[in-house]
Amino acid sequence: DTEVTQTPKHLVMGMTNKKSLKCEQHMGHRAMYWYKQKAKKPPELMFVYSYEKLSINESVPSRFSPECPNSSLLNLHLHALQPEDSALYLCASSQFVAGELFFGEGSRLTVL
Amino acid sequence: GEDVEQSLFLSVREGDSSVINCTYTDSSSTYLYWYKQEPGAGLQLLTYIFSNMDMKQDQRLTVLLNKKDKHLSLRIADTQTGDSAIYFCAEKRVDDKIIFGKGTRLHILP
Repeated sequence: DTEVTQTPKHLVMGMTNKKSLKCEQHMGHRAMYWYKQKAKKPPELMFVYSYEKLSINESVPSRFSPECPNSSLLNLHLHALQPEDSALYLCASSQFVAGELFFGEGSRLTVL
Repeated sequence: GEDVEQSLFLSVREGDSSVINCTYTDSSSTYLYWYKQEPGAGLQLLTYIFSNMDMKQDQRLTVLLNKKDKHLSLRIADTQTGDSAIYFCAEKRVDDKIIFGKGTRLHILP
């Protein structure tokens, strides 16, 4: 299994909603990542988890809250988002930190 | 500068070779990557090169690295319509962050 699975594929939420994005991998990778990608832009690093511990937070606003319940799962909890947070959120994993990244298909988020 | 630089667009006739160029920022970067992104999809790792290599070939793909100039290129031989996508170069910096270029949109002409 060489896949990174993200759910949901599409999410529409209001600014007062609370929702979560989920990511799963079964490749035994010990590093997992959240990237944000706006249209026609490169992916921007948000968070890195290494061995289930948060190792990099790229000064992301607290309305985004990552969680790594175990080595296969990565969540991104969303609360009180703004319309400018609308983007494609990409999860990735790698065998070790900054190794070859394997990306999921992304969750496309629209904030109304 | 701080940005990984790539030209934004490239048009190539089907069957010709495509060459996508990239200038990265950190001379200490150890890994350099090429990713492909098709519309509405995530990123797919195409190939990578260690900083101590000059060239890597993998089927239709050839990566050239000029470490002195911090220049990376990806050559796609016999370009096909299925190669139409956005190609991102990326570098692994010494702080273990992987930083992406803005991407080059490859358009295939019939």
